[in-house]
Amino acid sequence: LAKTTQPISMDSYEGQEVNITCSHNNIATNDYITWYQQFPSQGPRFIIQGYKTKVTNEVASLFIPADRKSSTLSLPRVSLSDTAVYYCLVVPMNTGFQKLVFGTGTRLLVSP
Amino acid sequence: GAVVSQHPSRVICKSGTSVKIECRSLDFQATTMFWYRQFPKQSLMLMATSNEGSKATYEQGVEKDKFLINHASLTLSTLTVTSAHPEDSSFYICSARGSGEETQYFGPGTRLLVL
Repeated sequence: LAKTTQPISMDSYEGQEVNITCSHNNIATNDYITWYQQFPSQGPRFIIQGYKTKVTNEVASLFIPADRKSSTLSLPRVSLSDTAVYYCLVVPMNTGFQKLVFGTGTRLLVSP
Repeated sequence: GAVVSQHPSRVICKSGTSVKIECRSLDFQATTMFWYRQFPKQSLMLMATSNEGSKATYEQGVEKDKFLINHASLTLSTLTVTSAHPEDSSFYICSARGSGEETQYFGPGTRLLVL
């Protein structure tokens, strides 16, 4: 399973755009990049998933360069409620192998 | 999105007793369910993977006789912590994946405190 590296923590202010970058140098051809959000004392919540280029949904955007060795989760105009831990995972797809390996995640603190 | 529930949300028990935690997929059939454990300020650690109707596969270092997992139906998996000790106190989280689905959906977690 490809290992991921992300910043341990980030600070931001309300209304700013936050970009969290994740490195996954050993990503395989059939691996997808998946991001989860976790609030204290809650289970992780799926945010977004992508394979290449750019994916956007109502919550975030995910940017993946051509070499796919990194990815960036972009949260537009964050609010206090976006304070959470964000996990980047690399998951092999279409193999029936669904074991998720969580790294340390990035602890985002949004201040007023 | 798909909804996964857990019961109870928190439980306190005496050392030596057993505790059962339920994980249910509410609006989809979960062919595979996963159990994680998370200690304070740490990441989630996968404990075991269970497929409906078959024995669970445990991760290295996880005692299968202590953490009994049953996945008897497509919507329910249970984790029983047998003879719980204070070091078993943790946040237990399940996740579920439907047939043909790629995304895992997580339950809200169960906080276990063993006195």
